[in-house]
Amino acid sequence: GAVVSQHPSWVICKSGTSVKIECRSLDFQATTMFWYRQFPKQSLMLMATSNEGSKATYEQGVEKDKFLINHASLTLSTLTVTSAHPEDSSFYICSAREVASGRANAYEQYFGPGTRLTVT
Amino acid sequence: GQNIDQPTEMTATEGAIVQINCTYQTSGFNGLFWYQQHAGEAPTFLSYNVLDGLEEKGRFSSFLSRSKGYSYLLLKELQMKDSASYLCAVRDRGRSSASKIIFGSGTRLSIRP
Repeated sequence: GAVVSQHPSWVICKSGTSVKIECRSLDFQATTMFWYRQFPKQSLMLMATSNEGSKATYEQGVEKDKFLINHASLTLSTLTVTSAHPEDSSFYICSAREVASGRANAYEQYFGPGTRLTVT
Repeated sequence: GQNIDQPTEMTATEGAIVQINCTYQTSGFNGLFWYQQHAGEAPTFLSYNVLDGLEEKGRFSSFLSRSKGYSYLLLKELQMKDSASYLCAVRDRGRSSASKIIFGSGTRLSIRP
């Protein structure tokens, strides 16, 4: 099956620093990747949709200058949390949708294992 | 916009059957998903419905009624390992070509012996 990896799996950083999280589709090409954030005991909140070679589309309330997304290739998207603060501590999950490959609507999104960010 | 509602918590007994309901409102419905998520882990795909009716996959079944904006996930022969959060999610076509999956708040299911 399709595999999505994330790196790092967990990270602790000091307030004010920036953290980059990578999301890779290992055995398929993904034109679209999605970044979600999940606070404890809450559901996944979509932050942004990342399309290869173009600017990301951010959901309402998500600061694009704080959460920088780059999708430079069909297998890699990165999320950079700039000037992180303790309130940014969360579980960040990416998911990838495979290039259509003939199917009008590839129905499944494949999720990465998540990255737990703790800002001290 | 989108709105997805599901119960916050449910409890069931090992070996029994439980049904988790989900209602949704969306402008560009393009499929409904159920995911299972254990604490501290990413969601894992359970089912996908885009047409009305029941989809059965082993112990798990999912039902969809598009006219009612309603779905349920049915879990049979419950096992202790089924204790997890179950997330109802809707794919919304939106105005752009890239549709996106929006999650409900999740239902925490606890299985007791």
